[in-house]
Amino acid sequence: GDSVTQMEGPVTLSEEAFLTINCTYTATGYPSLFWYVQYPGEGLQLLLKATKADDKGSNKGFEATYRKETTSFHLEKGSVQVSDSAVYFCALSDKDSSYKLIFGSGTRLLVRP
Amino acid sequence: GAGVSQSPSNKVTEKGKDVELRCDPISGHTALYWYRQRLGQGLEFLIYFQGNSAPDKSGLPSDRFSAERTGESVSTLTIQRTQQEDSAVYLCASSLKGVNQPQHFGDGTRLSIL
Repeated sequence: GDSVTQMEGPVTLSEEAFLTINCTYTATGYPSLFWYVQYPGEGLQLLLKATKADDKGSNKGFEATYRKETTSFHLEKGSVQVSDSAVYFCALSDKDSSYKLIFGSGTRLLVRP
Repeated sequence: GAGVSQSPSNKVTEKGKDVELRCDPISGHTALYWYRQRLGQGLEFLIYFQGNSAPDKSGLPSDRFSAERTGESVSTLTIQRTQQEDSAVYLCASSLKGVNQPQHFGDGTRLSIL
């Protein structure tokens, strides 16, 4: 079945450092790909999405490109802030699977001042 | 513009008791999903509703778990004869019907089984 694998955390960075969180997927169809973020004490929020190959999703300085050839959707940000500290989840959704989200296990990011 | 609302926010109960968790989706959202998040893990899909029908129940872990939705609105997830392994955060999400519609999540119900 479909699955998502993302790098284990925690990832600890200094403010203004470059961030990459790796995410790869396995899917039989043509899924849409998402990054969700969970800030401390808050609910899960959609960060960005991409719906087809080579699409780039972007929001709040974060970017991820849908790479069909490598089945990847890595999250990047050029300069992280302390306020980016959160847990990040990569997920996919496939119309052949009721559009349910299949999540990776999450990566905790801690940004130090 | 209310978001997805879940109640209770926390529930502590004894092993063997039944529990009911409630989800109020965003008005007009015909799709509704339940997920479970165990400590330190990703979210697991439980059940999907389109309107009041549940075309995908494949994630329900056992027959102790059931869910219903009425009026294309409120949904209730029921866990009978709770076990300690049921302890988790139960999250509800809703979305408009259709391809690539984003799911909006509630804050979840933290369930603890003693």
